Amino acid sequence: GAGVSQTPSNKVTEKGKYVELRCDPISGHTALYWYRQSLGQGPEFLIYFQGTGAADDSGLPNDRFFAVRPEGSVSTLKIQRTERGDSAVYLCASSLFGGAAGELFFGEGSRLTVL
Amino acid sequence: DAKTTQPTSMDCAEGRAANLPCNHSTISGNEYVYWYRQIHSQGPQYIIHGLKNNETNEMASLIITEDRKSSTLILPHATLRDTAVYYCIVRVAKNYGQNFVFGPGTRLSVLP
Repeated sequence: GAGVSQTPSNKVTEKGKYVELRCDPISGHTALYWYRQSLGQGPEFLIYFQGTGAADDSGLPNDRFFAVRPEGSVSTLKIQRTERGDSAVYLCASSLFGGAAGELFFGEGSRLTVL
Repeated sequence: DAKTTQPTSMDCAEGRAANLPCNHSTISGNEYVYWYRQIHSQGPQYIIHGLKNNETNEMASLIITEDRKSSTLILPHATLRDTAVYYCIVRVAKNYGQNFVFGPGTRLSVLP
């Protein structure tokens, strides 16, 4: 597809379970971002990849959250031992350059509900 | 890191210009001002960005004051589809990475 694709669009899980959220960026975009958005708030930065490496993971809230991008394209956000407070929309964005003036292209998000 | 301040909400009549203000009084000389918007249940959408000169594209105009401490996003002829949350962001660069820090934004309601 032409845009950033995120799957699943909706995920309902139980407290304590493990969850994976996938992001397929725009082809050729080297920079990839994960954000989290709670109801009524702006997106909150989690992690930024430049190629395969996590260039900035300062936004990950704790060690239950982990993200990978092994081949520099698709990325997976992994959440262990989910808690009810993890419920949010998880947004992925990609950018062609990641530097100077690269605009971000966002996906539609994955809505996670932890019961 | 520079912070931005925006009004919580604004109304605009359909067909009129919507002027959305943003204060960024601590902006650094090499930081850009970006605007994004988010329509309900969608991901944020890029609108425009600028450094110090005014910018215009097919979606909007961006007016940045000479001292760069504030800016205004202008939607020249607002339509109902422009109802969204508008985010003013000052880009922060950290080493080789960067992140866009979103605040709560301005909720624009375009009224018929």
